[in-house]
Amino acid sequence: DSGVTQTPKHLITATGQRVTLRCSPRSGDLSVYWYQQSLDQGLQFLIQYYNGEERAKGNILERFSAQQFPDLHSELNLSSLELGDSALYFCASSVILDTEAFFGQGTRLTVV
Amino acid sequence: AQSVTQLGSHVSVSEGALVLLRCNYSSSVPPYLFWYVQYPNQGLQLLLKYTTGATLVKGINGFEAEFKKSETSFHLTKPSAHMSDAAEYFCAVIPPGQNFVFGPGTRLSVLP
Repeated sequence: DSGVTQTPKHLITATGQRVTLRCSPRSGDLSVYWYQQSLDQGLQFLIQYYNGEERAKGNILERFSAQQFPDLHSELNLSSLELGDSALYFCASSVILDTEAFFGQGTRLTVV
Repeated sequence: AQSVTQLGSHVSVSEGALVLLRCNYSSSVPPYLFWYVQYPNQGLQLLLKYTTGATLVKGINGFEAEFKKSETSFHLTKPSAHMSDAAEYFCAVIPPGQNFVFGPGTRLSVLP
């Protein structure tokens, strides 16, 4: 158990819908990362937050957004969902920047 | 831009044989280096890391990796493969002042 909690574990939704994925980082970790993993794209970095502020942005679509709250948990919002958005979404956290990250178990999103 | 290459998207070894998974990075300044393992339907788990100091790093489950600056490599080895080692392995780097960069992954199969 990495200490990073992601909910829900599985999510099935229809195209065009909006979903919210939640991540609770390890106790004391200030940095949160979001990744998307699909069979054809591999592990894609989406976005990183550090102590409530956006620090880095990767290949995140405009239909996707995220935030980190004062209690340091984070949410990833995916809207206008398409079939191609079906993937595993991972959250990871680290104590500070530039150090190892610990991954949650992921949320498997299926868009039908 | 920083990149990480992993030679061989799929590696097969016999049980008891040496495991060698290759990782090379592109950076003129040595980054922090990591190996992660992902078992089916699970998140990524940190195997080992190199930041500074001794270039031979030991990790969990009998794995080790050696940082070779002259070769910009960080290959992962294990003397004797076990069936439970079958998984996806990711090499990752953190270049100075930058964010995580993950390699594409290598799927390790262990044959009886």
